[in-house]
Amino acid sequence: ELKVEQNPLFLSMQEGKNYTIYCNYSTTSDRLYWYRQDPGKSLESLFVLLSNGAVKQEGRLMASLDTKARLSTLHITAAVHDLSATYFCAVDEGDMRFGAGTRLTVKP
Amino acid sequence: EADIYQTPRYLVIGTGKKITLECSQTMGHDKMYWYQQDPGMELHLIHYSYGVNSTEKGDLSSESTVSRIRTEHFPLTLESARPSHTSQYLCASSGGEVVADTQYFGPGTRLTVL
Repeated sequence: ELKVEQNPLFLSMQEGKNYTIYCNYSTTSDRLYWYRQDPGKSLESLFVLLSNGAVKQEGRLMASLDTKARLSTLHITAAVHDLSATYFCAVDEGDMRFGAGTRLTVKP
Repeated sequence: EADIYQTPRYLVIGTGKKITLECSQTMGHDKMYWYQQDPGMELHLIHYSYGVNSTEKGDLSSESTVSRIRTEHFPLTLESARPSHTSQYLCASSGGEVVADTQYFGPGTRLTVL
């Protein structure tokens, strides 16, 4: 059974700091997705990573994929309060399997 | 921008009632999904469909049913609602991209069963 594990599950950081969220998965899939969910809202797509070594960046967020290690990372640079949300990674293997989510809080 | 709609947005009902949650998308996507999510928690796949007349069960399917008679419509029915069904239900669709299979999510239905 496909397992998708994120860590940390909860992350509290100060504005201006850097941090990385990790997503490990148990299959050989090379399609990995990152989503963001604001409190009380639905999910929106952030990044799609489709091959080993893929790197995508938007603003202060950068996602990468290492299919050999079965690992994706979401790096946050110089965090700002607006980034506070829950971040999910998901792996596509026929049907999409989501990680448990990382609840990020950025404090002033 | 994704066009996927869910109704109702909020629903409070009593135990034992039969309810149907509606989901429609106007993107022509073949694949559609239903997830259950407690606030801020992980998503649990309930049902999914790869096209008309195709439905598959996910992890939490035993107490609900779905149908896919039209491409754009994927309703979820709870035959007998229980307090344990209190949660948020998210509908999603995908299939408009050549390589990726990004899911587009509806706004959700927040269900409370008393």
